[in-house]
Amino acid sequence: IAGITQAPTSQILAAGRRMTLRCTQDMRHNAMYWYRQDLGLGLRLIHYSNTAGTTGKGEVPDGYSVSRANTDDFPLTLASAVPSQTSVYFCASSEGDSYNEQFFGPGTRLTVL
Amino acid sequence: GQNIDQPTEMTATEGAIVQINCTYQTSGFNGLFWYQQHAGEAPTFLSYNVLDGLEEKGRFSSFLSRSKGYSYLLLKELQMKDSASYLCAVRDTDYKLSFGAGTTVTVRA
Repeated sequence: IAGITQAPTSQILAAGRRMTLRCTQDMRHNAMYWYRQDLGLGLRLIHYSNTAGTTGKGEVPDGYSVSRANTDDFPLTLASAVPSQTSVYFCASSEGDSYNEQFFGPGTRLTVL
Repeated sequence: GQNIDQPTEMTATEGAIVQINCTYQTSGFNGLFWYQQHAGEAPTFLSYNVLDGLEEKGRFSSFLSRSKGYSYLLLKELQMKDSASYLCAVRDTDYKLSFGAGTTVTVRA
């Protein structure tokens, strides 16, 4: 069982390019989340999905979009990357509306030049 | 929204005890989590408190006072492998987490 996988591991991207970060979980968790982690700011929620077919905005959603076509996959798209989107991106999942903890993927390190 | 504060850095000696404090101001509260994150790795779950009091799990304990908006994580019998960042996170009534900036703990021999 892999848990949560993310791809790519790291990426260098030119400003203005479109980029999709992939996230897949095999735990059949209902809820999935995307965070970005920046030095001194901690983890900030970008978008989330409580169940397949639904998504919601987090604390810092501008410049990002997500989709949740099925339970396992939750891709994050940067339509036109900007340097301020340079960050480490973590995908997470949980069993949804309960006290259960979130499980995190290994992260994607994205640099926008 | 949530406002979560924790110290930036702490240093302790191997075998000692360290207490990491976390204070929060919240518009809705539905539990407090502590995560451990080693450099370059993903956060991993350590503990969860939703009621006041102490939760003990081996060398790690976590305490919560909802009326004071306060929690601490206690690390006992420190080991070198405990050098990491420790993240305090508050869950709101919509089940979303808000994280503090993290406390980097350095364990010295």
